[in-house]
Amino acid sequence: GNSVTQMEGPVTLSEEAFLTINCTYTATGYPSLFWYVQYPGEGLQLLLKATKADDKGSNKGFEATYRKETTSFHLEKGSVQVSDSAVYFCALSDPGGGADGLTFGKGTHLIIQP
Amino acid sequence: KAGVTQTPRYLIKTRGQQVTLSCSPISGHRSVSWYQQTPGQGLQFLFEYFSETQRNKGNFPGRFSGRQFSNSRSEMNVSTLELGDSALYLCASSLVQGANINYGYTFGSGTRLTVV
Repeated sequence: GNSVTQMEGPVTLSEEAFLTINCTYTATGYPSLFWYVQYPGEGLQLLLKATKADDKGSNKGFEATYRKETTSFHLEKGSVQVSDSAVYFCALSDPGGGADGLTFGKGTHLIIQP
Repeated sequence: KAGVTQTPRYLIKTRGQQVTLSCSPISGHRSVSWYQQTPGQGLQFLFEYFSETQRNKGNFPGRFSGRQFSNSRSEMNVSTLELGDSALYLCASSLVQGANINYGYTFGSGTRLTVV
């Protein structure tokens, strides 16, 4: 079956530091890939997405590139802010139409210190 | 426009009882999916409803059930509650069936269920 693996953290960085959160996946075919963010006490918000190999998703300064050869979708941001503190989830959708819903990683807790 | 609304936000139940959670999707969205979030297992897909019919189901026991009404509002029911059912239950709505890349999901803030 499908699976997603990501570093769980917590990951603690200083403000303006460079961020990388690794995400690798196992799936047949070409899944769609997502990053979601969850702030304390809230639901998940879609951060960015990519549908095919070499696609780059981007939003709010965050970027991730769909790498088929390494089955990865690492999240990056050049300069993090305190407001980026949250839990980040990597997820995939089965290319056949999502019959199994979204498959999520365990989430990475990011803490940004001023 | 209003987002996905889940009620109640918090719930405490006793082992053996049953519980019903409610989800109102974004206006116009016809698909409602449910996810369970726990520290140990993370986010797991429960089921999806579209046009009042269950379309997909995750790997959960029959104690977990749901339904969808003609106005797309959905309810999830858990019978004979166990301590391990304590979790954040998230509802997500979408225009169409399936985790479709073009439309995506919008999640609610969840219902925090505690079983004692």
